[in-house]
Amino acid sequence: DVKVTQSSRYLVKRTGEKVFLECVQDMDHENMFWYRQDPGLGLRLIYFSYDVKMKEKGDIPEGYSVSREKKERFSLILESASTNQTSMYLCASSSPPGGSDTQYFGPGTRLTVL
Amino acid sequence: GDSVTQMEGPVTLSEEAFLTINCTYTATGYPSLFWYVQYPGEGLQLLLKATKADDKGSNKGFEATYRKETTSFHLEKGSVQVSDSAVYFCALARYGNKLVFGAGTILRVKS
Repeated sequence: DVKVTQSSRYLVKRTGEKVFLECVQDMDHENMFWYRQDPGLGLRLIYFSYDVKMKEKGDIPEGYSVSREKKERFSLILESASTNQTSMYLCASSSPPGGSDTQYFGPGTRLTVL
Repeated sequence: GDSVTQMEGPVTLSEEAFLTINCTYTATGYPSLFWYVQYPGEGLQLLLKATKADDKGSNKGFEATYRKETTSFHLEKGSVQVSDSAVYFCALARYGNKLVFGAGTILRVKS
């Protein structure tokens, strides 16, 4: 069974802290994505990666960075957390273009920044 | 740019009622279209998809037809169950597998 796991289901941090959200997939997928989910806005793409060491900005990259040192792991980093980054964060993975375009999602991390 | 618009919720139905959730899109070309479902406390799961015009996606009693003329991909189910209560997201795939999501529609089914 395909699986995408995220390091925490719930996280509470303080303004200004550096925050790491980890995502691991076991499907040998090339593509990985980070989204944030907010009520009334759906999911918005923050960053994505098509291969190890590669990263591309999505629609709302400001205030975030990412790291992909291994194929199965994609980390989202909040360099200095702010209250407007309180949200649900979802990681996903998929095969490369030309393969299935279905994305598989992790359970999400609900981050609260105080 | 590409966008997806879906009907606002919440939608509240009685068990065994007919369900329609409207979804329209704006895109360059003919993208693949998806419905994802999010059950309480979980991530998103693919419900169904269609990759070209007039394709019908179906799964678990849900159906949606890719209508190029009306740029729509409405989700339907003939008889909903309490277990269908969830948030439903319509989405399209941009170049490079990137998805654009609608705002989501909350469905509540009462017994």
